[in-house]
Amino acid sequence: QQQVKQSPQSLIVQKGGISIINCAYENTAFDYFPWYQQFPGKGPALLIAIRPDVSEKKEGRFTISFNKSAKQFSLHIMDSQPGDSATYFCAASMSGTASKLTFGTGTRLQVTL
Amino acid sequence: SAVISQKPSRDICQRGTSLTIQCQVDSQVTMMFWYRQQPGQSLTLIATANQGSEATYESGFVIDKFPISRPNLTFSTLTVSNMSPEDSSIYLCSVIGGNEKLFFGSGTQLSVL
Repeated sequence: QQQVKQSPQSLIVQKGGISIINCAYENTAFDYFPWYQQFPGKGPALLIAIRPDVSEKKEGRFTISFNKSAKQFSLHIMDSQPGDSATYFCAASMSGTASKLTFGTGTRLQVTL
Repeated sequence: SAVISQKPSRDICQRGTSLTIQCQVDSQVTMMFWYRQQPGQSLTLIATANQGSEATYESGFVIDKFPISRPNLTFSTLTVSNMSPEDSSIYLCSVIGGNEKLFFGSGTQLSVL
């Protein structure tokens, strides 16, 4: 099974709050899990990525939490800002690289003042 | 990072015609990919563009419909052939750049009437 299931479909968070987006997968061969941010009219841009040998990775306000046994991973955006308003995609691939990514369905995040 | 230029950025085409999308990268890259993003949906990998050999297509995509060229390590084209309204999508070129990260161009927004 190649699917990556992402939730929620949309999310509204107040400025300064924490945004949490979740993804789940079935294929245990997946071993590379990136998150992408996409603004309207632009291509997706890599935010942060994790491999299964760690349970958490943090870069600035963005954190990935990874639960290998549950086959789930999530993106946490701390101190969310209006500039974070975008669509976020989780993805997964095999072979530990960004080749042939399978993307989630996307989460439209709106950060309000 | 890799800088990717895609042309055209958008086009409106008539049913039954073909459109060729160009992708130029500012550095030599081994792996180039073409993705499709249907309106409001996720990204789906169409094919991997291989330099010096035929492209490798994913399930559901065929060479007759989406012929791809990769004449050198910095350039690729994707043609959408015999278009129908169902082909209306954003088409994205992507490459694996430094640190094995996947970078995307800004995309070509195609509308088929």
